[in-house]
Amino acid sequence: ETGVTQTPRHLVMGMTNKKSLKCEQHLGHNAMYWYKQSAKKPLELMFVYSLEERVENNSVPSRFSPECPNSSHLFLHLHTLQPEDSALYLCASSQGQGANIQYFGAGTRLSVL
Amino acid sequence: SQQGEEDPQALSIQEGENATMNCSYKTSINNLQWYRQNSGRGLVHLILIRSNEREKHSGRLRVTLDTSKKSSSLLITASRAADTASYFCATYPIGSRLTFGEGTQLTVNP
Repeated sequence: ETGVTQTPRHLVMGMTNKKSLKCEQHLGHNAMYWYKQSAKKPLELMFVYSLEERVENNSVPSRFSPECPNSSHLFLHLHTLQPEDSALYLCASSQGQGANIQYFGAGTRLSVL
Repeated sequence: SQQGEEDPQALSIQEGENATMNCSYKTSINNLQWYRQNSGRGLVHLILIRSNEREKHSGRLRVTLDTSKKSSSLLITASRAADTASYFCATYPIGSRLTFGEGTQLTVNP
């Protein structure tokens, strides 16, 4: 276990559904990240939170909405997704957002029908 | 364009052999990290090498860094079937974010 827990592990949703991905870290870190991993593509950084404030949003469509209520929890709210949004969504945390090691959760495999 | 690129994209070896994966990058970095990912799982950090270091070891892993050539290599010695996974290099460009390559898929055959 890496100390970062993601739920659910698998999610199937229709394009009109609303769902949320949850990430919880037990490492005392103060920075959290959402990544998207699609087949044959490098990991794409979506959002960065530091001390519960969003510090980066890499041109992610508004149908993805992050929320960080405290330093241990991170959510990704999903609505009206497209089939091309199907991917593995990974959460990570680190101590500081600088050049530090990131600890990843096991990911949520999302399928959009 | 992506910062780190791994080579080869796929590598298949026999158990007991050594596996070498390479990573090239484009801009000056703070550090370079190697991660491992088992199929459908999250990434696990293996080793971090700073820009002023040339070589680091961790168990059966050996990482080298050549900043003049902007390249790094990961050597896994005496490979095991359990080493089968994707291996990613991640670079920390100065003033930027950790950036991952597409990875090398390593298959170790029993």
